[in-house]
Amino acid sequence: AQTVTQSQPEMSVQEAETVTLSCTYDTSESDYYLFWYKQPPSRQMILVIRQEAYKQQNATENRFSVNFQKAAKSFSLKISDSQLGDAAMYFCAYRGIQGAQKLVFGQGTRLTINP
Amino acid sequence: DAGVTQSPTHLIKTRGQQVTLRCSPKSGHDTVSWYQQALGQGPQFIFQYYEEEERQRGNFPDRFSGHQFPNYSSELNVNALLLGDSALYLCASSLSPRAEAFFGQGTRLTVV
Repeated sequence: AQTVTQSQPEMSVQEAETVTLSCTYDTSESDYYLFWYKQPPSRQMILVIRQEAYKQQNATENRFSVNFQKAAKSFSLKISDSQLGDAAMYFCAYRGIQGAQKLVFGQGTRLTINP
Repeated sequence: DAGVTQSPTHLIKTRGQQVTLRCSPKSGHDTVSWYQQALGQGPQFIFQYYEEEERQRGNFPDRFSGHQFPNYSSELNVNALLLGDSALYLCASSLSPRAEAFFGQGTRLTVV
């Protein structure tokens, strides 16, 4: 079974600085998707960025980018120029290509932005 | 365009009771998945509905059941509630079982 691990329960960063959230996963599949979701106090899960495992190029969405290391099964999220609105819980998630289409989530990292 | 809507937003039930949670998918989406998110944890997959049938199921007991209607909306039913069923229940819809999932704001269930 696939597992996702986020080893940082909490992180904090000064406004306008850069922060990196870590995620590792375990799978025997060769092709899959990886995601970072943001969950603000409103509770709604919002997709931040996604990465297809067959793509070697790291995904980027404006201030958000990932460092995808397939051999190491590592998938970190970098947030540049942090803003107060970035404060939220961040979840790393895995979804396979074959068989089950469910999302497997990590335990989450609470990100605090200090003004 | 309304996104995924869930009702109710909060509810409180007593142990042993039964509860029904509802989800309306995003317009054009025909697949609905349900997740349970315990306090301080990541969401866990309960099941997925497509074409009015349960297509996949996570590691949840038979007390958890669901339904999908012809208009693609869905219900999650939980029987014989336990204190441990207290959680945020999230609904996600997608254009197909393999497409990107869009989440609702969840229903906060408290069992006392």
